[in-house]
Amino acid sequence: AQSVTQLDSQVPVFEEAPVELRCNYSSSVSVYLFWYVQYPNQGLQLLLKYLSGSTLVESINGFEAEFNKSQTSFHLRKPSVHISDTAEYFCAVSRTGGGNKLTFGTGTQLKVEL
Amino acid sequence: DTAVSQTPKYLVTQMGNDKSIKCEQNLGHDTMYWYKQDSKKFLKIMFSYNNKELIINETVPNRFSPKSPDKAHLNLHINSLELGDSAVYFCASSPSDRFNGYTFGSGTRLTVV
Repeated sequence: AQSVTQLDSQVPVFEEAPVELRCNYSSSVSVYLFWYVQYPNQGLQLLLKYLSGSTLVESINGFEAEFNKSQTSFHLRKPSVHISDTAEYFCAVSRTGGGNKLTFGTGTQLKVEL
Repeated sequence: DTAVSQTPKYLVTQMGNDKSIKCEQNLGHDTMYWYKQDSKKFLKIMFSYNNKELIINETVPNRFSPKSPDKAHLNLHINSLELGDSAVYFCASSPSDRFNGYTFGSGTRLTVV
């Protein structure tokens, strides 16, 4: 079975500062990795994903994440955050090759302050 | 045009009642899911259907019964509602081949009083 650990439940950061949200996973098989964002009172939106190929993946709004197999990590980064980035961020994992079951981490609340 | 739509968005009901939540997707996906998000925002899968066939059934009380009349719809019926059922329920869908993540609905906030 796969599992995901998001060690930081809350990350406060000032606007225009860089941020890193940590995600580590555990799996005995190959995995796909995802970051989802949940704005207040909304559903989850896919932010970015790693399926194969380049280990560095980027979103359209400036976030990036790097798949590190040796460290079993998929940390999310943004060099300069905006107030509108305030949201809950979820890391998720599924095994490759079938099943398509996503296992989520416990989420990290990113709070951007002026 | 909403890709995955759930109704109702909010549901307040008394203990012991029976209620249903509906989900429809127009993405042509053949797999649909129900997730429960508790008050601490933890997301846990409940059920998954592929082409109307149940493929994932996690440890969920049998008061919860999913129904998939066709691959575009997955409804969730809950009998004898309890206080602990209060949560946000999310429907999602994905293609079974070339999996690239889920598309989620906007959620149904269920409050049992």
